[in-house]
Amino acid sequence: DVKVTQSSRYLVKRTGEKVFLECVQDMDHENMFWYRQDPGLGLRLIYFSYDVKMKEKGDIPEGYSVSREKKERFSLILESASTNQTSMYLCASRGTVRDEQYFGPGTRLTVT
Amino acid sequence: GEDVEQSLFLSVREGDSSVINCTYTDSSSTYLYWYKQEPGAGLQLLTYIFSNMDMKQDQRLTVLLNKKDKHLSLRIADTQTGDSAIYFCAERLHASGGSYIPTFGRGTSLIVHP
Repeated sequence: DVKVTQSSRYLVKRTGEKVFLECVQDMDHENMFWYRQDPGLGLRLIYFSYDVKMKEKGDIPEGYSVSREKKERFSLILESASTNQTSMYLCASRGTVRDEQYFGPGTRLTVT
Repeated sequence: GEDVEQSLFLSVREGDSSVINCTYTDSSSTYLYWYKQEPGAGLQLLTYIFSNMDMKQDQRLTVLLNKKDKHLSLRIADTQTGDSAIYFCAERLHASGGSYIPTFGRGTSLIVHP
């Protein structure tokens, strides 16, 4: 079974802090994704990566950056956290048979 | 507007059938998916259908695809309280870098009453 893990389930940070969210997958998938999920808005794509050191902006990249130094790890960085970045953050990797996505359990981030 | 649309809420009684509907816009989508999200968890692939199929059945789940109307539905027979979750419809789209990006609907919250 594919396993996607995220470094924290819950995180509380202060405005202006730099925040790192880590995601690791164990199936050697090339493609990885970061989403945020907000009530009534569904999933919104922040960034994705189709290979090591490669990244593409999604629909809402402002205020975020990403890092993919190793194939199995994809990190989301909030350079200077703001209260409007309080959200559930979901990481996913893409399977190669049906292009289905495998999601991590999510990180609920609160910025105060 | 949204590429994938679905209603936000559905309430059913335990034992009844649930039908969750979705419309999508890209006729070139080769795969269409249903994901399930239980409270406090990430999304899990529930089922999928290939675009050359009209119907797919998997135990209590039936997926119907109407390509002409770009309409996808998920039917859950004998709905149980454990089926209470958010259900997301998604289509597969091509993006830059040779990667396929799914577009998700906003999700339908299914509430099952005892």
